[in-house]
Amino acid sequence: EAQVTQNPRYLITVTGKKLTVTCSQNMNHEYMSWYRQDPGLGLRQIYYSMNVEVTDKGDVPEGYKVSRKEKRNFPLILESPSPNQTSLYFCASSLLEAPQETQYFGPGTRLLVL
Amino acid sequence: GQSLEQPSEVTAVEGAIVQINCTYQTSGFYGLSWYQQHDGGAPTFLSYNALDGLEETGRFSSFLSRSDSYGYLLLQELQMKDSASYFCAGLYSGAGSYQLTFGKGTKLSVIP
Repeated sequence: EAQVTQNPRYLITVTGKKLTVTCSQNMNHEYMSWYRQDPGLGLRQIYYSMNVEVTDKGDVPEGYKVSRKEKRNFPLILESPSPNQTSLYFCASSLLEAPQETQYFGPGTRLLVL
Repeated sequence: GQSLEQPSEVTAVEGAIVQINCTYQTSGFYGLSWYQQHDGGAPTFLSYNALDGLEETGRFSSFLSRSDSYGYLLLQELQMKDSASYFCAGLYSGAGSYQLTFGKGTKLSVIP
């Protein structure tokens, strides 16, 4: 089954404690991205990657890091989380030649930073 | 970054037709997509317009007018299960990369 998986699905942490949210896809997609969703603000892109070892900042990259060492994985790293990073996070993947037509989203990760 | 504008809320009656509009910034614009998201769920892809005109997929249709920097999603024969948030998303290209930018979403409430 074609899918994007994220772990963990729910996470409560404290300010400053480093965390990683994993994302993996099994569709051999080149394009992967991370979004955060906040009430009234819609989905905002944090980082995206067009292929292995190629990453670019989205609209709200501050406080986040990503890596793309393998095609299937695109982890999101919060080196020093702060309460304003409390949000719902989605990972997504798609084919590079048709990023808008083939985008699949993961189930989401709810993060609470105390 | 780029921005897309859409109404925050729309209410419509079951069985009716509703249109959700979206305007977008044109610099680097490549195409427009629509996504549906039910409460607590992930967004799911509905349709994509790269060219002007109407794309039809069952009860849902999407329209794009590049000259007006405008698109819309048309939902026909509304059902209660269509109550959800709908997002337009623009694909923007530049410097050898693509970036997807979403509108803030339109919450559709379908009433009996």
